[in-house]
Amino acid sequence: DVLMTQTPVSLPVSLGGQVSISCRSSQSLVHSDGNTYLHWYLQKPGQSPQLLIYRVSNRFSGVPDRFSGSGSGTDFTLKISRVEPEDLGVYYCLQSTHFLWTFGGGTKLELK
Amino acid sequence: EVQLVESGGGLVQPGRSLKLSCAASGFTFSNYGMAWVCQAPTKGLEWVASISTGGGNTYYRDSVKGRFTISRDNAKNTLYLQMDSLRSEDTATYYCARRGRGNYFDYWGQGVMVTVSS
Repeated sequence: DVLMTQTPVSLPVSLGGQVSISCRSSQSLVHSDGNTYLHWYLQKPGQSPQLLIYRVSNRFSGVPDRFSGSGSGTDFTLKISRVEPEDLGVYYCLQSTHFLWTFGGGTKLELK
Repeated sequence: EVQLVESGGGLVQPGRSLKLSCAASGFTFSNYGMAWVCQAPTKGLEWVASISTGGGNTYYRDSVKGRFTISRDNAKNTLYLQMDSLRSEDTATYYCARRGRGNYFDYWGQGVMVTVSS
């Protein structure tokens, strides 16, 4: 199975600030079709996960442009600028290039 | 509006069975692959099983293979997870999720809790 490692595990932030979350995979996530299937989710407290970014850098419907994704191969980053209260929660990366699909361990974004 | 509503969770003894359901609405259910994803208490997310649009192809993680069965009824817009020979380590919240066009889960249900304990 592809191991997805997220860092940091916990990320204190001030409202209005900017943060980055890293997600590294144990194998390249470039699929034989040329696409890279790395996605980002946010799970707010008491809620189900919601899709933020798909295929590395594409914002899902309704996701504000404060969220941006980048990376390639085995190294990926989610950046959040001008952090707002509704951004707090646990962020997960997901790879769907290789069977079986695997999630990162999560990064908890919390107030300083 | 896409909606996925799970039901059927609860407390069950080890070795017993449970069947989860996920009622879908707001989209053409038969056009999308579906999946179950679980989350043990205070833990991260783990893919459990997936099913193709017509139900002919199913996939499972090793820990549930032979014990869990994913299925769907496209006429009823419903996804199922039959869980047999349950173990304490199956205790988790189970989410139904739609597989989007780009090979990701784009919509999730609210989740249903399964507790396996004597």
